[in-house]
Amino acid sequence: KQEVTQIPAALSVPEGENLVLNCSFTDSAIYNLQWFRQDPGKGLTSLLLIQSSQREQTSGRLNASLDKSSGRSTLYIAASQPGDSATYLCAVRGTYKYIFGTGTRLKVLA
Amino acid sequence: SQTIHQWPATLVQPVGSPLSLECTVEGTSNPNLYWYRQAAGRGLQLLFYSVGIGQISSEVPQNLSASRPQDRQFILSSKKLLLSDSGFYLCAWSTPGGPYGYTFGSGTRLTVV
Repeated sequence: KQEVTQIPAALSVPEGENLVLNCSFTDSAIYNLQWFRQDPGKGLTSLLLIQSSQREQTSGRLNASLDKSSGRSTLYIAASQPGDSATYLCAVRGTYKYIFGTGTRLKVLA
Repeated sequence: SQTIHQWPATLVQPVGSPLSLECTVEGTSNPNLYWYRQAAGRGLQLLFYSVGIGQISSEVPQNLSASRPQDRQFILSSKKLLLSDSGFYLCAWSTPGGPYGYTFGSGTRLTVV
């Protein structure tokens, strides 16, 4: 049974710092891995989608890497801003469905 | 372009009352559809998924049911709500048959009182 873990559960950093969020999964037989952002009381917004054959994806200040063999993904946020404050979720896809981690709650202080 | 609509945004219902949440997708055909629940302080739990009209798979035994009466419509229902049904309900869709990602709706905040 696939299990997804995100560390740390919460993170508070000053504005401008580069930071790394971690995601680990127990079963390497995945189709892809997706990183989402969730603002309080809102739905999930897709940030990056990494296919199982890919090593990384980049979008603006965000970079996500995938090491399927070790069951790990990292989300790198460069030059963090207060607007980046949100909960970040990773999810891995099996045949039909995604399994989600419990998220990292990020607060960027101005 | 594809869009997903979910309503209502918020709902307060008494214990024992029925529930109907609706999700529709536009701009695509034969999507895979999903219902997730996010309880306070907890992760997302997959409730139901559907790969076609009338095809519903349930992930956890519970007080809820789902139906897919049309290709792009997914409904979450309950005959009698429990306090434990409170949470944030999210609908999502994905393109079938390939390594595609999820797109989520904006969610429904359900409070059972």
